[in-house]
Amino acid sequence: AQRVTQPEKLLSVFKGAPVELKCNYSYSGSPELFWYVQYSRQRLQLLLRHISRESIKGFTADLNKGETSFHLKKPFAQEEDSAMYYCALTGANNLFFGTGTRLTVIP
Amino acid sequence: EAGVTQFPSHSVIEKGQTVTLRCDPISGHDNLYWYRRVMGKEIKFLLHFVKESKQDESGMPNNRFLAERTGGTYSTLKVQPAELEDSGVYLCASSQAGTGSYGYTFGSGTRLTVV
Repeated sequence: AQRVTQPEKLLSVFKGAPVELKCNYSYSGSPELFWYVQYSRQRLQLLLRHISRESIKGFTADLNKGETSFHLKKPFAQEEDSAMYYCALTGANNLFFGTGTRLTVIP
Repeated sequence: EAGVTQFPSHSVIEKGQTVTLRCDPISGHDNLYWYRRVMGKEIKFLLHFVKESKQDESGMPNNRFLAERTGGTYSTLKVQPAELEDSGVYLCASSQAGTGSYGYTFGSGTRLTVV
């Protein structure tokens, strides 16, 4: 069965500090992993996909199949990064989400 | 282009009452999904429509929940009778055929509170 685990419900970092939001998954096939973000008073939106190997707003995430992880990283956090972050993976044609991590960047 | 629209944005009802949530997907999107977020828990899949047909309703919690998608356009999710544990934020998403999970566009959600 598919499962996404985000061990940290809350994470606070100072502006300019590195940030890492952890995500581990279990899935029997070849997963496609995503990070979604919800800023205050905005809708849930896609941040990045592992398959694109892109950097969005300075964030990157590498799929580590050996550790079954897809941690989200940014070298220098900004105040505007404060938001709720959800890790997700595909199963069939729908998404399975983790419980989310609320990131607060302290000025 | 209008996004995914959900209403009402908030609903407070008493236990035992009925509530109907509505989702208008992006025009032309065949796929429509319902999810529910309960405080402190994961965003949980409820069901998936392809046009007017239910493709996957494995996430529907019980028979108090009824989802429809009239003519393959907007969708409604009715809870009857509502229970306290039904409280949460109900999210709707739509996507074009063939875009897969990366093509999801979410609505702003309906916050349901059952008292």
